[in-house]
Order: sequence, then structure tokens, then C-alpha cells
Amino acid sequence: KQEVTQIPAALSVPEGENLVLNCSFTDSAIYNLQWFRQDPGKGLTSLLLIQSSQREQTSGRLNASLDKSSGRSTLYIAASQPGDSATYLCAVETNSGYSTLTFGKGTMLLVSP
Amino acid sequence: DTGVSQDPRHKITKRGQNVTFRCDPISEHNRLYWYRQTLGQGPEFLTYFQNEAQLEKSRLLSDRFSAERPKGSFSTLEIQRTEQGDSAMYLCASSSGGSNEKLFFGSGTQLSVL
Repeated sequence: KQEVTQIPAALSVPEGENLVLNCSFTDSAIYNLQWFRQDPGKGLTSLLLIQSSQREQTSGRLNASLDKSSGRSTLYIAASQPGDSATYLCAVETNSGYSTLTFGKGTMLLVSP
Repeated sequence: DTGVSQDPRHKITKRGQNVTFRCDPISEHNRLYWYRQTLGQGPEFLTYFQNEAQLEKSRLLSDRFSAERPKGSFSTLEIQRTEQGDSAMYLCASSSGGSNEKLFFGSGTQLSVL
């Protein structure tokens, strides 16, 4: 059974810092890995999707890397802003046809002004 | 594109009652998913529709749960004889399909069973 772990569970940083969120998964036979953002009481917003054949994806200040063989991914946020405060969730997909994602518990990020 | 809509946003019910939630996906999306999220946990997959066909169901979806997507548009998730353990956020997502698809999530329905 696939298990996804995210470290740290919570992180508090001052505005402007660069930070790294970590995700690990137990079964390396994944199809893709995705990072989502969730604001309190809201649904999820897709941030980045890395296909199993890719090593990284970038979107603005966000960069996600994937090391499939070691079962690890990192989400790098550059020059953090208070608006980045949210819970960040990592999810892996093991099906090739549709999205039965297995999620981690998330990292709750607080960026202080 | 008005996004994925879920109704109601909040539902409080007594144990043993039946509840029904509705999800309206993005209009051109043919895939629809239901996930469940409890406090402090990540979402867990419940079920998946391709148009009106329910193609995958998680073992989490006990026989008290039923989902439909008539005509391949909106979807309903019904829970019969609710239990306190059913208390959770029920999330709906839709996509246009294809490999490595991007899911668009609604804001969820928060269910509290007293």
C-alpha cells in the first residue's frame, strides 16, 4: 500500500525566506506526483505536476523536484510572502488512466510579515 | 469557467439520518471524482466517474454510500444511516481527462454528524 509522508508538519518563517517542503513515498512505481495548496476551509488548488519521467517542474517562485528511485520530492518556495500561508499537500498517482491520488497529511506553512 | 461548485457548504445531521451532497463540475469536464478529508489528514479517494459511468470505487465507500452522475453532468453523493465517523469534508473534483490530468477541486461540503 502506498504511503506518503510530509515533513515538517508545520513551518513558520518570516517573509522573504526561501523554504523547502519535503515529501516521501513508499512505492516508487508512480505515474506522477503533484503538489497542491489548500487554504483553510477550502478545496485544493493544483500547483505543480511532475510526470514520473521528469525530474522537476517550475512555476513562478515554486520549484518541485522528483527523485522517483529514492521516493522523494521537494517543493522549493523562493522569497516567501504572507500570501503563501496555507497547507501544502503532496500526492502521488499510481494509475496511468485516472487520478486515484494518495495524499500526504500536508505541511502547514505560516509566513509572517 | 465558474469552477467546481458543491452544495451545501456545511451540513449538520443527527446520527442515523440520510444526507445527500451535490457537485456541479466544470461544464466541459467529463471526469468527476469524490474525495473525503478528515481533520489533519490528506484527502482520500472515494470514487470516480467517466461521464455517467462509475468506473472506480474505493473500499472506503461502504454500502451506506452511493454516488450517481446522471447524464454525465452533476453528481450526488448520498450517505445513508450516517455515523459519527462519517464526519469529514467531502471534496469533489473534475477534469477534462487525459494522462497526467489536472484536477480542479470544489470548496467541499463539511459534514458533522452529531
